[in-house]
Amino acid sequence: DAGVIQSPRHEVTEMGQEVTLRCKPISGHDYLFWYRQTMMRGLELLIYFNNNVPIDDSGMPEDRFSAKMPNASFSTLKIQPSEPRDSAVYFCASSKKEKLFFGSGTQLSVL
Amino acid sequence: EDQVTQSPEALRLQEGESSSLNCSYTVSGLRGLFWYRQDPGKGPEFLFTLYSAGEEKEKERLKATLTKKESFLHITAPKPEDSATYLCAAPESSTLGRLYFGRGTQLTVWP
Repeated sequence: DAGVIQSPRHEVTEMGQEVTLRCKPISGHDYLFWYRQTMMRGLELLIYFNNNVPIDDSGMPEDRFSAKMPNASFSTLKIQPSEPRDSAVYFCASSKKEKLFFGSGTQLSVL
Repeated sequence: EDQVTQSPEALRLQEGESSSLNCSYTVSGLRGLFWYRQDPGKGPEFLFTLYSAGEEKEKERLKATLTKKESFLHITAPKPEDSATYLCAAPESSTLGRLYFGRGTQLTVWP
């Protein structure tokens, strides 16, 4: 299995632009998580899905952030409009039970 | 408020010099304590899950232990390849999904 696949690996954009991050979870996993990691706040859970349904989005910082999971093999995290304070590494993770498997992350820089 | 705290923030060891990392938690109704390893530019990688006070788990030079208030990750005779950031995490009392991560301990082992 290729593991959790995220794209792009790096994204540099200008303030106000729309950013879309993508994630392909491990086949057979029924939980999918989006995390954000910064030096200041560490790893924070943004949202998670169970069987493609959003369960808890209380970590989504603002209405500028949205996430979708149209099917079991694909999820997106969208930021519109982006701001410099959104700069961070965004991780997607999937699981079948309590053990999370993380992707390699997307390094987002908003100028 | 549920919280996971790790210490020290950074630790430098000479190869072969054993030590321990600490993770204290205030999550009520603990349903597992997780240890992850994170290498630069990568997502966290699962190491251990501990469920009850007194439980211990080992993997190569690493041993994780759990008490009612904290967990320790003991590193015996470390090697340079053990250099990484070690994260601990605890799930919210009622759900699998919301994992509270500590800020991590950045371990450097020099030859």
